Amino acid sequence: QVHLQQSGPGLVKPSQTLSLTCAISGDSVSSSSAAWNWIRQSPSRGLEWLGRTYYRSKWYNNYAVSVKSRININPDTSKNQFSLQLTSVTPEDTAVYYCVRYSYGSDAFDHWGQGTLVTVSS
Amino acid sequence: QSVLTQPPSASGTPGQRVTISCSGSSSNIGNNYVFWYQQLPGTAPKLLIYRSNQRPSGVPDRFSGSKSGTSASLAISGLRSEDEADYYCTAWDDSLSDYVFGTGTKVTVL
Repeated sequence: QVHLQQSGPGLVKPSQTLSLTCAISGDSVSSSSAAWNWIRQSPSRGLEWLGRTYYRSKWYNNYAVSVKSRININPDTSKNQFSLQLTSVTPEDTAVYYCVRYSYGSDAFDHWGQGTLVTVSS
Repeated sequence: QSVLTQPPSASGTPGQRVTISCSGSSSNIGNNYVFWYQQLPGTAPKLLIYRSNQRPSGVPDRFSGSKSGTSASLAISGLRSEDEADYYCTAWDDSLSDYVFGTGTKVTVL
């Protein structure tokens, strides 16, 4: 059974970098039939896809236009996990952040992490 | 960003059928699969429907999905109290190169 376990701070100061990690069990970050995503949810913006990383003979990343200049998603094969870094955060980045597996077997976001509430405040 | 439009709320009595609509465009629903998610308070979304009308194992057959043109629908038949939740549709958008989500529909069981 696939399980995603998130970790990272719940409070980040404005202009600093938000960093979260998602540890994967029951699958591999290098899987050729999955992509590893970050999605956030806030009352003002609803659900918002941020980006993904996936492996198809080499590593690929895709990012949402809304955060493209500030985001990095990186795989860590040694620990079977992936991470999110969002730079120059503002209070608008306050949200619950989820790591999510997209399965190409079902063409869907089928497994979600538990969510991390990240508040941007001084 | 919420590019797909859903009604903010829907309701029914136990046993009734409730339908939730999701309206998009040719760049998203019109050309791609639709997924539906159920979100109970304080929890992560749970996949209900994939490939527009397929149910993952473990999802009751009371839940069904359909798609026509640039709109999709989720139907809940035999409504139960545990179906009270928020429901979201989503699809890939070819123009934005982005996954887009619906605005969400809160289902209340009266």
